[in-house]
Amino acid sequence: GENVEQHPSTLSVQEGDSAVIKCTYSDSASNYFPWYKQELGKRPQLIIDIRSNVGEKKDQRIAVTLNKTAKHFSLHITETQPEDSAVYFCAAIGNRDDKIIFGKGTRLHILP
Amino acid sequence: KAGVTQTPRYLIKTRGQQVTLSCSPISGHRSVSWYQQTPGQGLQFLFEYFSETQRNKGNFPGRFSGRQFSNSRSEMNVSTLELGDSALYLCASSLIDVNTEAFFGQGTRLTVV
Repeated sequence: GENVEQHPSTLSVQEGDSAVIKCTYSDSASNYFPWYKQELGKRPQLIIDIRSNVGEKKDQRIAVTLNKTAKHFSLHITETQPEDSAVYFCAAIGNRDDKIIFGKGTRLHILP
Repeated sequence: KAGVTQTPRYLIKTRGQQVTLSCSPISGHRSVSWYQQTPGQGLQFLFEYFSETQRNKGNFPGRFSGRQFSNSRSEMNVSTLELGDSALYLCASSLIDVNTEAFFGQGTRLTVV
């Protein structure tokens, strides 16, 4: 069945450095790829998304890149800040059946 | 505008019982989807409702069911509860479908003992 793999499961970076989280998906018909941030005890919130007709999208310190051929997409956070500490989930939504498949999440720690 | 509201926030049930969780979407949103979140499996899609019809379903047993009312409010039901059903159940509302931004509720923490 459809699958989304997310790596790494845990990531620690020094404040001010960049963080990169990668996801691969199995369903080549997937066409929508959102990223959600979930702070401890809070609800997931969309931080950025990308559709299959675009290769890259940027919003201030956050960017997402998509490689349809390789079926992977990545989240890039630059100039990390303490408030970036959270769990980040990638997801892929299929064009055929609209099922949303999430990666298992990456716990990002920003070290002072 | 008001966000997605889920009730109750916490619930403790005994094995074999059934439970009903409620979700009120953002006003004007017609799509409501449900997810199970556990430490081991992450976020898993349960089902999505639009205009009172189940449009998509994840890979969960038939004990998990749901419905949507004409005002877009949705309920999910789990029958014959098992210990493994203990999880945070999140609902999300979207304007049209899961291909548009999903706004999550705070979730219902279900504990089965």
